[in-house]
Amino acid sequence: QVQLDQSGAEVKKSGASVQIACKASGYIFKNFFLHWVRQAPGQGLEWMGWINPETGDTDYAQTFKGRITMTRDMSTNTVYMDLSGLKSDDTARYFCAREVRAFDIWGQGTMVTVSS
Amino acid sequence: DIQMTQSPSTLSAYVGDRVTISCRASQSINNWLAWYQQKPGRAPQVLIYKASTLKSGVPSRFSGSGSGTEFTLSISSLQPDDFAIYYCQYYKSSSGYTFGQGTKLEI
Repeated sequence: QVQLDQSGAEVKKSGASVQIACKASGYIFKNFFLHWVRQAPGQGLEWMGWINPETGDTDYAQTFKGRITMTRDMSTNTVYMDLSGLKSDDTARYFCAREVRAFDIWGQGTMVTVSS
Repeated sequence: DIQMTQSPSTLSAYVGDRVTISCRASQSINNWLAWYQQKPGRAPQVLIYKASTLKSGVPSRFSGSGSGTEFTLSISSLQPDDFAIYYCQYYKSSSGYTFGQGTKLEI
């Protein structure tokens, strides 16, 4: 079945970088944009950006420009999200999501905890 | 950037009630509006897209309406499984895929 599987939880120090993986299966990887969305504890959903797996083109929310990078590996149907310069308020669960008629499939989420 | 504002932030209701959640866009969004349900510890799930199209498999007690800047999500007869947080989202944008702040539906 169609699914997105994300890498495991991360604990990072302030100032460090984190990379989260999102592996797609059950559909043609290159055909649909993949997005990243985060959710701080007890808070709402925040869109971070998208990647076009076919071309590698990206678009990032203004909030994250300069410290976010999204890439993809066509050989493993995996997208990656790198976030640098981590701060305590980057502590959140990070989701990848496929865009087909809105965000129809979501990964399970990856918890990132940033400590000082 | 387009802003999405939901109301109310919290809604208390009983099983069997009909409830409505509102979502307002800061400018017209041409019906590129989706509704999601999120339960604790889980990823959101899309219920409705294009303002009023029910995703396959979603119970028919859920419905969406509206156009332009004003949208609503209605649940016709609340079931115990419906108590969750609901988000609207503008999802067709060159300037971002903006979520509303969420509405917590509680018993």
